[in-house]
Amino acid sequence: GAVVSQHPSWVICKSGTSVKIECRSLDFQATTMFWYRQFPKQSLMLMATSNEGSKATYEQGVEKDKFLINHASLTLSTLTVTSAHPEDSSFYICSASTHLGNTIYFGEGSWLTVV
Amino acid sequence: QQPVQSPQAVILREGEDAVINCSSSKALYSVHWYRQKHGEAPVFLMILLKGGEQKGHDKISASFNEKKQQSSLYLTASQLSYSGTYFCGTVPDRGSTLGRLYFGRGTQLTVWP
Repeated sequence: GAVVSQHPSWVICKSGTSVKIECRSLDFQATTMFWYRQFPKQSLMLMATSNEGSKATYEQGVEKDKFLINHASLTLSTLTVTSAHPEDSSFYICSASTHLGNTIYFGEGSWLTVV
Repeated sequence: QQPVQSPQAVILREGEDAVINCSSSKALYSVHWYRQKHGEAPVFLMILLKGGEQKGHDKISASFNEKKQQSSLYLTASQLSYSGTYFCGTVPDRGSTLGRLYFGRGTQLTVWP
């Protein structure tokens, strides 16, 4: 079964609104989680590293004020896309690793469509 | 930081073999291989940690040449279920945050009966 769960799987929102996506580690504690974005037929692009109890670390070119990340507990990280626009429509995926970091588990992904 | 994958696409008949390559311009600590079906999350295949390491299970294996900063994924006697997009993900160096991966553009593999 899944060890990392994402919710929702699909979300459609109006332009200008905010959307929250949750990522949960089910059978282990994850002090670090990662958020990726994938446009159709493209690669997974790392957006940010979510650190439990501290600020997220964003990759170059990713707007931290637009993509808010909160990692309030050892099993939950959330990504909030603020003031969403159609160009934010994408497949968002989170991942988490065990403390050894050798195996990285991905969530099921969340399809965001902004209309 | 993004590794380079080749080829971009492969079309095979069931039972044929394929090799997918992944190379980086930077030193690598580890290489992770994933397969992704359309609309789904990537599925972990294997991780290679040491220079010259080779791994495999069933008919899928991989090698990692640390000095050349390259990894190859070998699929032998391909099955229809092997179809999908294969990604290599790299961890640049030992000091990088564990789990922080940079992915190649992917190789689309199609297996026909």
